[in-house]
Amino acid sequence: EILLTQSPGTLSLSPGERATLSCRASQTVSSTYLAWYQQKPGQAPRLLIYGTSSRATGIPDRFSGSGSGTDFTLIISRLEPEDFAVYYCHQYAGSRSFGQGTKVEIK
Amino acid sequence: EVQLLESGGGLVQPGGSLRLSCAASGFTFSSYDMNWVRQAPGKGLERVSYIKSSGDSTKYADSVKGRFTISRDNSKNTLYLQMNSLRAEDTAVYYCAKVAYISGWSHFDHWGQGTLVTVSS
Repeated sequence: EILLTQSPGTLSLSPGERATLSCRASQTVSSTYLAWYQQKPGQAPRLLIYGTSSRATGIPDRFSGSGSGTDFTLIISRLEPEDFAVYYCHQYAGSRSFGQGTKVEIK
Repeated sequence: EVQLLESGGGLVQPGGSLRLSCAASGFTFSSYDMNWVRQAPGKGLERVSYIKSSGDSTKYADSVKGRFTISRDNSKNTLYLQMNSLRAEDTAVYYCAKVAYISGWSHFDHWGQGTLVTVSS
């Protein structure tokens, strides 16, 4: 099973700042099979990014994804109030797994 | 519009059983593989089970193998999860999740709102 480790566990930032979230895999993951989800309290996860860098329908362009091999990154260029949430990476090449999540909180 | 609506959660004693349902609409249900993903309170996401679009192939997480059974009724556009021999560690919100593509490995593009299962005496 591919283990995904997200860092940091919590990111304390102010609105307007840039957020950089990391997802590291225990073995190589094809960039085709890496996604990011956003989850707010009491809500289901929401797809943000798939295939490492493709934004899902309706996702604003302040969200961007990049990476390859074992290192992947989600960047939120300028945090809006509605972006404070937990973010999960997800690899779906065969046996699926999720990272443990990064909480982006208001500083 | 794709909609996934889970039901069937509740409070159950350890060793008990529960059957979850996920009613799907807004897409051709019979064409898409489906999954159950759970989230324990304050914890991350765990895919517990998968079923192929035709229903003839299934997968389970080791944590639920032998206790949970996934199934689907394509005539009713409904996904099920039969949960037996429930344990305290099965306490979680259970989500049904649809894959984005008909074929090949795919991310989850739609999730239900979830149903809470609490296993406690």
